[in-house]
Amino acid sequence: AQTVTQSQPEMSVQEAETVTLSCTYDTSENNYYLFWYKQPPSRQMILVIRQEAYKQQNATENRFSVNFQKAAKSFSLKISDSQLGDTAMYFCAFMKQGGANSKLTFGKGITLSVRP
Amino acid sequence: GAVVSQHPSWVICKSGTSVKIECRSLDFQATTMFWYRQFPKQSLMLMATSNEGSKATYEQGVEKDKFLINHASLTLSTLTVTSAHPEDSSFYICSARMGNQPQHFGDGTRLSIL
Repeated sequence: AQTVTQSQPEMSVQEAETVTLSCTYDTSENNYYLFWYKQPPSRQMILVIRQEAYKQQNATENRFSVNFQKAAKSFSLKISDSQLGDTAMYFCAFMKQGGANSKLTFGKGITLSVRP
Repeated sequence: GAVVSQHPSWVICKSGTSVKIECRSLDFQATTMFWYRQFPKQSLMLMATSNEGSKATYEQGVEKDKFLINHASLTLSTLTVTSAHPEDSSFYICSARMGNQPQHFGDGTRLSIL
């Protein structure tokens, strides 16, 4: 079974600063995907970024980038130039590759507050 | 981009009634749909996975007779909370996926049982 650990329940960052959200996971699989989802107060789940485990290059999406360390089973999210709209819960998630019933395993989430 | 529509967004009903929540994939064929439950400030808890035309696979501890899931077509899945009671009050979220593509989530349904 897979587990995803987000050990920090809350973080706060000043607007325009950079913040890093931590995530570790445990799996015996070799082929899998990792995700970061954002859930703002509206509670809509928004895909922020996705990483394929076979890719060594870290995924980036505008102000969002990851530091994927496969050997250490670590997958942190860096948010640059934080904006007030980044205030949300952030969930790290794992999914093994292949199979119609492959399912997401979520971490407990972290509440990020961006201060004006 | 892919859109998943979930309806209703908020429902309030009396204890003992049954409530149906719909989840539709609007611009893709959802071979697999997922239903989650979420309590405030907590993570999403997977309730069940359904493939079109097949019976849903429920997670351990989820009562299949309480939470009826139907995935009758490639664009529609429904979750029916039967004989709902206050402890069933929660936020329910569906998501849909085509093959191995990323999952897309509905906007969720806030269920309040009085």
